[in-house]
Amino acid sequence: GAGVSQSPSNKVTEKGKDVELRCDPISGHTALYWYRQSLGQGLEFLIYFQGNSAPDKSGLPSDRFSAERTGGSVSTLTIQRTQQEDSAVYLCASSLAGVVETQYFGPGTRLLVL
Amino acid sequence: EDKVVQSPLSLVVHEGDTVTLNCSYEVTNFRSLLWYKQEKKAPTFLFMLTSSGIEKKSGRLSSILDKKELFSILNITATQTGDSAVYLCAVYLYNTDKLIFGTGTRLQVFP
Repeated sequence: GAGVSQSPSNKVTEKGKDVELRCDPISGHTALYWYRQSLGQGLEFLIYFQGNSAPDKSGLPSDRFSAERTGGSVSTLTIQRTQQEDSAVYLCASSLAGVVETQYFGPGTRLLVL
Repeated sequence: EDKVVQSPLSLVVHEGDTVTLNCSYEVTNFRSLLWYKQEKKAPTFLFMLTSSGIEKKSGRLSSILDKKELFSILNITATQTGDSAVYLCAVYLYNTDKLIFGTGTRLQVFP
């Protein structure tokens, strides 16, 4: 596709359930980033992938959060035992290796935990 | 701790007005500063600034960086309703692979 895609666009879940958020980066982009944006806040860095490896996981807020990337392409962000404070928009971005400044963002997944 | 601060948090203007958005930063190993426009969900890239005093311009938008005073401004002249959005500032550091974002400025332009 022409841009970064994410699914689902919206997700409503109950507290305690697990959720999986998917990101399809731009073809050929080896770098992939996950961010979280809570209501009225800026983007909070979560994790970065270069290829299939994640050299920087420093932004993951707790051990309930994990992410993986397979085939150097699709990435999945998993949140286990969701809490209400996990409600936010989760944005994915991709870039060419070594050109991290020009990241292309997907439309995001809006997660609501009831 | 590295941080990026934007002001004002919110701005309401009428079409035709000129606005100035501010971004200040306190970081180690500064490499570049970026501005993004976020209308609904996906931020779109506006400018990347690496050198002080060199204005970047795109139509009615322009931006400049002051590396001595550690801030950048984004100017929008002759605002239009389509300029309504959240404008995000981010800083990229050497030896990292991530952008540090400010909280954004929400601009609303009314006809």
